[in-house]
Amino acid sequence: NAGVMQNPRHLVRRRGQEARLRCSPMKGHSHVYWYRQLPEEGLKFMVYLQKENIIDESGMPKERFSAEFPKEGPSILRIQQVVRGDSAAYFCASSRGQEPYQPQHFGDGTRLSIL
Amino acid sequence: QQPVQSPQAVILREGEDAVINCSSSKALYSVHWYRQKHGEAPVFLMILLKGGEQKGHEKISASFNEKKQQSSLYLTASQLSYSGTYFCGPAQRRSAGGTSYGKLTFGQGTILTVHP
Repeated sequence: NAGVMQNPRHLVRRRGQEARLRCSPMKGHSHVYWYRQLPEEGLKFMVYLQKENIIDESGMPKERFSAEFPKEGPSILRIQQVVRGDSAAYFCASSRGQEPYQPQHFGDGTRLSIL
Repeated sequence: QQPVQSPQAVILREGEDAVINCSSSKALYSVHWYRQKHGEAPVFLMILLKGGEQKGHEKISASFNEKKQQSSLYLTASQLSYSGTYFCGPAQRRSAGGTSYGKLTFGQGTILTVHP
């Protein structure tokens, strides 16, 4: 009964490199959300995706960040040319439906560190 | 705009009670509550829907007043395992690209510490 699976758990990159974060939703869930969390802060919404569609990317920086949720395989959050300010924990959540009463279930997160 | 949680932190002894409040400036459809322990994933506790309902999860319950756009989380007879950061996530109904969906905006969190 696997929950939301994220990998890697920890990722270290040097400035200018690319970071790829993966998220496999819970079985039966087709809605994926990405959040960013800085130390001692709350969760900030980045993007909401359904299979093959980006529904809401209003929380994602316009440059260097992109997300996808292909028909087959996990959702990917991609950060190009990383900078120190990208260091954070990135959480993925999934839900069974898109209604406001559907709970979102979170993965363990990827902690991204930029050297 | 981010909802406001109060208090920011609370320290309890085992067996004591606590209330965490969450206020939003926007009209809400529902309120989600989560608990996060240090270095771990947020764990879903409960959802409150319109109608002023109260829900419970073990000795944790919550209420939602949609007119006041407020929700409160009640922790009764606290246990050591209750320690963590509690986040409220008010949800609004949004539309984009012909799709209607719920969007959560999380508060800054309330740090709860329970001592023996």
